[in-house]
Amino acid sequence: GDSVTQMEGPVTLSEEAFLTINCTYTATGYPSLFWYVQYPGEGLQLLLKATKADDKGSNKGFEATYRKETTSFHLEKGSVQVSDSAVYFCALRNSGYSTLTFGKGTMLLVSP
Amino acid sequence: DGGITQSPKYLFRKEGQNVTLSCEQNLNHDAMYWYRQDPGQGLRLIYYSQIVNDFQKGDIAEGYSVSREKKESFPLTVTSAQKNPTAFYLCASSRDVLQAGELFFGEGSRLTVL
Repeated sequence: GDSVTQMEGPVTLSEEAFLTINCTYTATGYPSLFWYVQYPGEGLQLLLKATKADDKGSNKGFEATYRKETTSFHLEKGSVQVSDSAVYFCALRNSGYSTLTFGKGTMLLVSP
Repeated sequence: DGGITQSPKYLFRKEGQNVTLSCEQNLNHDAMYWYRQDPGQGLRLIYYSQIVNDFQKGDIAEGYSVSREKKESFPLTVTSAQKNPTAFYLCASSRDVLQAGELFFGEGSRLTVL
């Protein structure tokens, strides 16, 4: 079946550092890929998405590129802020399916 | 403001009791979902509904039940048959199943079994 693998956290960075959170997937067909963010005590929010190979999703300074050849969708940000501290989830939706498959989440902690 | 409202935010239950978590949306979305979140486990799908009066089991439906009598409402009942119910429960919706990747989430309900 479909699956998503994320790097384990927590990822600890200083403010203004460069962020990469790795995400790889296993799926048949041509899935759409997503990143969600969960701030402490809240539900998840869609951060960005990409629906086909080589698409780049971007939002709030975050970006991720759909790499079919490496089955990856790594999340990056050039300069993180304390307010970016949250848990980040990678997810996929395979074509023809009605639901998302989520990774286990990666916690990001940014210190001043 | 449009969104998803979950209640209660915190709930305590004694073993052997059923408990119902409320989820209401005013986004006019057709599809609704229930997820369970445990530390280090990510999100696991319990049930989902594509349309009123219809719902399907997700990956971990045992010990849970749902109903979808109104478009706006998708309550989840955690029954006494659920062996380990202590968790954070998240309700979500999407415009329809074709938009199933773009979910809108509520703020969650934290259930603790005493």
